[in-house]
Amino acid sequence: GQNIDQPTEMTATEGAIVQINCTYQTSGFNGLFWYQQHAGEAPTFLSYNVLDGLEEKGRFSSFLSRSKGYSYLLLKELQMKDSASYLCAVTDSGAGSYQLTFGKGTKLSVIP
Amino acid sequence: DTEVTQTPKHLVMGMTNKKSLKCEQHMGHRAMYWYKQKAKKPPELMFVYSYEKLSINESVPSRFSPECPNSSLLNLHLHALQPEDSALYLCASSQSNNMNTEAFFGQGTRLTVV
Repeated sequence: GQNIDQPTEMTATEGAIVQINCTYQTSGFNGLFWYQQHAGEAPTFLSYNVLDGLEEKGRFSSFLSRSKGYSYLLLKELQMKDSASYLCAVTDSGAGSYQLTFGKGTKLSVIP
Repeated sequence: DTEVTQTPKHLVMGMTNKKSLKCEQHMGHRAMYWYKQKAKKPPELMFVYSYEKLSINESVPSRFSPECPNSSLLNLHLHALQPEDSALYLCASSQSNNMNTEAFFGQGTRLTVV
């Protein structure tokens, strides 16, 4: 089974930097994804980490430490449109097939 | 074309009705998924199809019946649903069931069972 933990809610100011943490426990880790989901919309892909280290993509960066079962998503130069839920999701090699399991999501509110 | 298209966008059905949700992608993806998402909860995996064969059924009740007619289409047939089945149903696809490829999600069907 899997256990994925992330904060329920966060608030940050426009223009600032925010870090959303995710810890996980899984029997057959094969990668970690971050998705963004605006209310009432589908999740959209942000980043993927399978090796330790930092992946940077524009204003978004994601970090992974496999030994610690830990990841974070870093959002820089926050904009109001970044208000959304951020879902940490882990892939598992269980049953030899692709399984993507989501954490409960972190609702980020960006304030002026 | 990086879209996963789901129809209908909204569906209201009675507990005795039979309806179907449809999902289509033309990215050549060979893995397709159904997820169920309740309000303020993360998506929960229901079914995985890999190369048009059902590879994962996450103990979903038989009132939900998936079907994959070809590599581009995925259906979810609904029959005798309960009000607690009301949710957002998301379809997703990925290049294969290789676990390091991202999943693309459709916009979902918002289902209300009355």
